[in-house]
Amino acid sequence: SQQGEEDPQALSIQEGENATMNCSYKTSINNLQWYRQNSGRGLVHLILIRSNEREKHSGRLRVTLDTSKKSSSLLITASRAADTASYFCATLLSGGYNKLIFGAGTRLAVHP
Amino acid sequence: EAGVAQSPRYKIIEKRQSVAFWCNPISGHATLYWYQQILGQGPKLLIQFQNNGVVDDSQLPKDRFSAERLKGVDSTLKIQPAKLEDSAVYLCASSPMRATGYAGANVLTFGAGSRLTVL
Repeated sequence: SQQGEEDPQALSIQEGENATMNCSYKTSINNLQWYRQNSGRGLVHLILIRSNEREKHSGRLRVTLDTSKKSSSLLITASRAADTASYFCATLLSGGYNKLIFGAGTRLAVHP
Repeated sequence: EAGVAQSPRYKIIEKRQSVAFWCNPISGHATLYWYQQILGQGPKLLIQFQNNGVVDDSQLPKDRFSAERLKGVDSTLKIQPAKLEDSAVYLCASSPMRATGYAGANVLTFGAGSRLTVL
């Protein structure tokens, strides 16, 4: 079963606009990660936020984490056509080995 | 560093036939994962190895799927016999081995995937 659920399932915006994707999860986590997948390709790691962190930045990416609400958001600022891809949140479950569980993803389309 | 290598990239078989996928992880990465990604869905973890031992195979359909990791390096995922619902992309990923909680250890590097079509 999927641990994380992304919202929205699909997002269509114009170049230059900001894109916000949300992720909710069910159980305690060690960290939360966001990955990107271009059509027909493997997933690429974007950013990791630990359970004791609230916000993290990397270039045009900003991730927030609210462990009390079991939710996270990914903001892509000043989007480009090249940002068109599917974005997945993945949660590393607390305890045990490094078991990473992915959500269903948000498909982002950025139009020139 | 070289990435995660997978082969074949594409495979078309008829139902009830068998198929095998191969994965070579990043050198030195002790943890290897196989995920199944059905079109339009997120990756689903099938099996996870740490070195050559299985640490999680709770979602592996063991009546038809099998996997092994030879000498803690390469891995093979086999499906026999295949069903129509096995049509998916099979993704292999690897990560360094560290104690749980070390952030860098948990980042996965994925291969390009092997796309299976079962007719």
